[in-house]
Amino acid sequence: DIVMTQSPESLAVSLGERATINCKSTQSVLYSSNNKNYLAWYQQKPGQPPKLLIYWASTRESGVPDRFSGSGSGTDFTLTISSLQAEDVAVYYCQQYYGTPFTFGPGTKVDIK
Amino acid sequence: EVQLVESGGNLVQPGGSLRLSCAASGFTFSTYAMSWVRQAPGKGLEWVSAICGDDGSTYYADSVRGRFTISRDNSKNTLYLQLNSLSAEDTAVYFCAKGSGGRCHSGADYWGQGTLVTVSS
Repeated sequence: DIVMTQSPESLAVSLGERATINCKSTQSVLYSSNNKNYLAWYQQKPGQPPKLLIYWASTRESGVPDRFSGSGSGTDFTLTISSLQAEDVAVYYCQQYYGTPFTFGPGTKVDIK
Repeated sequence: EVQLVESGGNLVQPGGSLRLSCAASGFTFSTYAMSWVRQAPGKGLEWVSAICGDDGSTYYADSVRGRFTISRDNSKNTLYLQLNSLSAEDTAVYFCAKGSGGRCHSGADYWGQGTLVTVSS
């Protein structure tokens, strides 16, 4: 199975500042035939289901603010919130959908400092 | 508007069974991959199972393989998850999620609100 890890476990950032979350996979999730990274990022607020933010590692889902961006390739990925807003307080998960089981990372909790 | 509404969650004794349903609307259900993801109380997300929209292939997490069965009724726009031989470790909110494409290897772009399964004597 592909194991996903995330760092840090939690972080507190001042409003308007940058938040950076890292995600690593134990094997590459880059599919060579189409040069796509099978990696998604989700946001989950308390009492709500997850919401898709980013897919193919760097493609923003429709309607997601452009302060959210994804980067990375192979085994190392990053979700960046360029200017943290109060409504961004949530837990963020990465997920690989390269190989089954489609594993999630343990999550990173983002709070306001 | 895409809607996913789960039902069927309940309190069940260890060793018992349950069938979860997910009623879908707002999209051509038969052509999309669908999955189940669960979240134990206060814990992270755990992918459980998926059924593809292109060829109907099914996939399971090791923790549920042989006990859970995913299926779909495209005529009813409904996804199912049959849960057998339940244990306390299966206690969780179970989310139904729509794949962004027909293949299972895709992100989940819409999620239901979840249904709670509690396994306890």
